[in-house]
Amino acid sequence: AQSVAQPEDQVNVAEGNPLTVKCTYSVSGNPYLFWYVQYPNRGLQFLLKYITGDNLVKGSYGFEAEFNKSQTSFHLKKPSALVSDSALYFCAVRDYNYGQNFVFGPGTRLSVLP
Amino acid sequence: DVKVTQSSRYLVKRTGEKVFLECVQDMDHENMFWYRQDPGLGLRLIYFSYDVKMKEKGDIPEGYSVSREKKERFSLILESASTNQTSMYLCASSRTNIDTEAFFGQGTRLTVV
Repeated sequence: AQSVAQPEDQVNVAEGNPLTVKCTYSVSGNPYLFWYVQYPNRGLQFLLKYITGDNLVKGSYGFEAEFNKSQTSFHLKKPSALVSDSALYFCAVRDYNYGQNFVFGPGTRLSVLP
Repeated sequence: DVKVTQSSRYLVKRTGEKVFLECVQDMDHENMFWYRQDPGLGLRLIYFSYDVKMKEKGDIPEGYSVSREKKERFSLILESASTNQTSMYLCASSRTNIDTEAFFGQGTRLTVV
């Protein structure tokens, strides 16, 4: 079965500094990977996805993610964090062996400090 | 703008009540999903549907049922609400194509008292 791990419950970073939110995955076959963001009491918003091609994927709000097949990782990055980036971030993989369901990691809370 | 709309943002229900959570999407998506979200547990799949009148159990279907009579609407039913079903419920939809993302509703925070 597909699975996703986010090893950090919480990430703190100072405004203006680069940020990284980590994700590792386990899949059988090609991975289809996604990042979502959730603001308080809201649904999830799609940020970016990796399907195939370039290992560096660019997404919304200045976020990007680096796919690394040998390390089975898909880390979310941003060169310069904003206070408004503070939110809950979820990594997900699409499970094409199980109804094309989305399997989510437990989430990482990002706090950007002014 | 694409949209997934959940009928309520906040609900308070009594133990034993039958509860209906409604979700409507306007994107003509084949797949629809119901997740519940609890702190530290992420999103857990309750049920999903890949076509009208079709449904599949997810990871935590106990105490829930679903209905999909029309393509755009996917309802989650709590047959007899219990306090351990207090949670945030998220509806999502997507195309069948494996390389497409899911779109989420705004969530329903259900409290069972």
